[in-house]
Amino acid sequence: EIVLTQSPGTLSLSPGERATLSCRASQSFSSSYLTWYQQKPGQAPRLLIYGASRATGIPDRFSGSGSGTDFTLTISRLEPEDFAVYYCQQYGSSPFTFGPGTKVDIK
Amino acid sequence: EVQLVESGGGLVQPGGSLRLSCAASGFTFSSYDMNWVRQAPGKGLEWVSYISGSASTIYYADSVKGRFTISRDNAKNSLYLQMISLRAEDTAVYYCARGRGGVWGQGTTVTVSS
Repeated sequence: EIVLTQSPGTLSLSPGERATLSCRASQSFSSSYLTWYQQKPGQAPRLLIYGASRATGIPDRFSGSGSGTDFTLTISRLEPEDFAVYYCQQYGSSPFTFGPGTKVDIK
Repeated sequence: EVQLVESGGGLVQPGGSLRLSCAASGFTFSSYDMNWVRQAPGKGLEWVSYISGSASTIYYADSVKGRFTISRDNAKNSLYLQMISLRAEDTAVYYCARGRGGVWGQGTTVTVSS
């Protein structure tokens, strides 16, 4: 089983700042199978990034990078609506595990 | 409009059973793999099960293997999760999700309690 670790657990930033979220895997896999989601309270998760591509309708301030065991989600300039919890998930081998999440809150 | 709508959640006693459904619309259901994902109260996301478009490939999380069964009816555009021997730790919102997670339902709540 591929275990995903996300850091930091909480990221306190101000609107307009840059957010860098890390997702580290216990074993290497293709970046094509790494997915990032955003979730707000009371809502279903929203797909942001799959592989190196933004999902439909996702603003270009969101970008994903990385390879092997280290992956990063970057939000170039935080907008008020970006404060939420972010999860990574690997879809390369079953079980399709999620990371524990990073909460981005307002400083 | 592309949509997934879950149903079938509720309150059930430990050891009981429940069948969740997910009705799909607005896309060619048989062309997509489907997943069930759950979220316990105040916790993160947990992947539960996967089924390929033709139902030829099925996977389960270890935590539900032997107790949960995923299935689909492509003629009815529907996905199912049969859950037996339910435990308190199965209490969660259960979401169905299309493929790589581009579309999610609103979730249905399962509470296992006496």
